[in-house]
Amino acid sequence: AQSVTQLDSQVPVFEEAPVELRCNYSSSVSVYLFWYVQYPNQGLQLLLKYLSGSTLVKGINGFEAEFNKSQTSFHLRKPSVHISDTAEYFCAAAYSSASKIIFGSGTRLSIRP
Amino acid sequence: EAQVTQNPRYLITVTGKKLTVTCSQNMNHEYMSWYRQDPGLGLRQIYYSMNVEVTDKGDVPEGYKVSRKEKRNFPLILESPSPNQTSLYFCASSLVGSYEQYFGPGTRLTVT
Repeated sequence: AQSVTQLDSQVPVFEEAPVELRCNYSSSVSVYLFWYVQYPNQGLQLLLKYLSGSTLVKGINGFEAEFNKSQTSFHLRKPSVHISDTAEYFCAAAYSSASKIIFGSGTRLSIRP
Repeated sequence: EAQVTQNPRYLITVTGKKLTVTCSQNMNHEYMSWYRQDPGLGLRQIYYSMNVEVTDKGDVPEGYKVSRKEKRNFPLILESPSPNQTSLYFCASSLVGSYEQYFGPGTRLTVT
């Protein structure tokens, strides 16, 4: 069965420190990958997406992610976080064989001053 | 402004009292979907629709119904709500094949 695993439910980090949020997906011939962010009391907003091409994808707010096919990973990174990055982050995968997106369980990023 | 709207945003109801949560999008998207979000479980898909009059079950369809009579609207119906349906519900839409979903602001439902 297709699945998306976010390995960390919570990630605390100090302001201006780098951060990596991990995501693994179940392998498939064709997969599209996404990171969404959910700020407190809001809906989900697309951060970035990988459809094809360059494996390094840049998104909004200084985030980037790297598609690694051999490790079936799509980790999200930011070199220096800000208090305003406090949110929950969801990794998601869409498989061309299915008409739906599968979400991971989410990672709550908390920034300490 | 391109958006997905949901109503109501907050709802408290009692077990067994039928309710409908509306969802509307103004982007002419063919694909619409309903999710529920529960702590530690992420988003789980309830139902989705590829176009008018075309709907299909997601991962957790039990206790829910949907209809797609118009392209812009995709209401979620709970015929007989139960406490285990207390959750945060999101509607989303996208163009078929793009998979880039636009989400509504959410509806927080409490069933007592």
